[in-house]
Amino acid sequence: ETGVTQTPRHLVMGMTNKKSLKCEQHLGHNAMYWYKQSAKKPLELMFVYNFKEQTENNSVPSRFSPECPNSSHLFLHLHTLQPEDSALYLCASSQETLGAYEQYFGPGTRLTVT
Amino acid sequence: AQSVTQLGSHVSVSEGALVLLRCNYSSSVPPYLFWYVQYPNQGLQLLLKYTSAATLVKGINGFEAEFKKSETSFHLTKPSAHMSDAAEYFCAVSEGTGANNLFFGTGTRLTVIP
Repeated sequence: ETGVTQTPRHLVMGMTNKKSLKCEQHLGHNAMYWYKQSAKKPLELMFVYNFKEQTENNSVPSRFSPECPNSSHLFLHLHTLQPEDSALYLCASSQETLGAYEQYFGPGTRLTVT
Repeated sequence: AQSVTQLGSHVSVSEGALVLLRCNYSSSVPPYLFWYVQYPNQGLQLLLKYTSAATLVKGINGFEAEFKKSETSFHLTKPSAHMSDAAEYFCAVSEGTGANNLFFGTGTRLTVIP
């Protein structure tokens, strides 16, 4: 248990559906992240929020829409996804201070797009 | 620019044998370096981190890593492999700048043979 929870753990959705992934951190951190993990590819950083402000958007398609209502919660809204979006989506959090700061990861949501 | 190279996408060792997982990094400033482990259907868990203190870093589960600046390496070792060590291992580098970004390698899958 790392202090970062994600729901749901598994999600199957059609290409026309709308769904949301939820992440919650109980560590008092002020930065949160979404990553995509696909087979045989490096982890892809999708979005970064520092103090609830989005600071990174690594050319992610608009069918992925993040939301960070407060420093403890992070959502990823999904709509009209493609089969290649099937992957493990990982949420992480860290404390934004000078120096080394590891990220703590949730267990991930396994997404399958049919 | 930061980057990480993990040599060998798959490593197999016998139970009780030495584990050696290789990581080389590229960084324009003194880096912070991390090893994470991922068990099946789980998120990433921090094993250990280097933050410019001691060059030999001890982590959880008997793992350790040595920072060698001259070789730009941060290899992960464990003297005696256990069946429970079977997992995927990721090396990551950060330059400690804002946005808390980590750059991950492509991972090494460790198999332990009984």
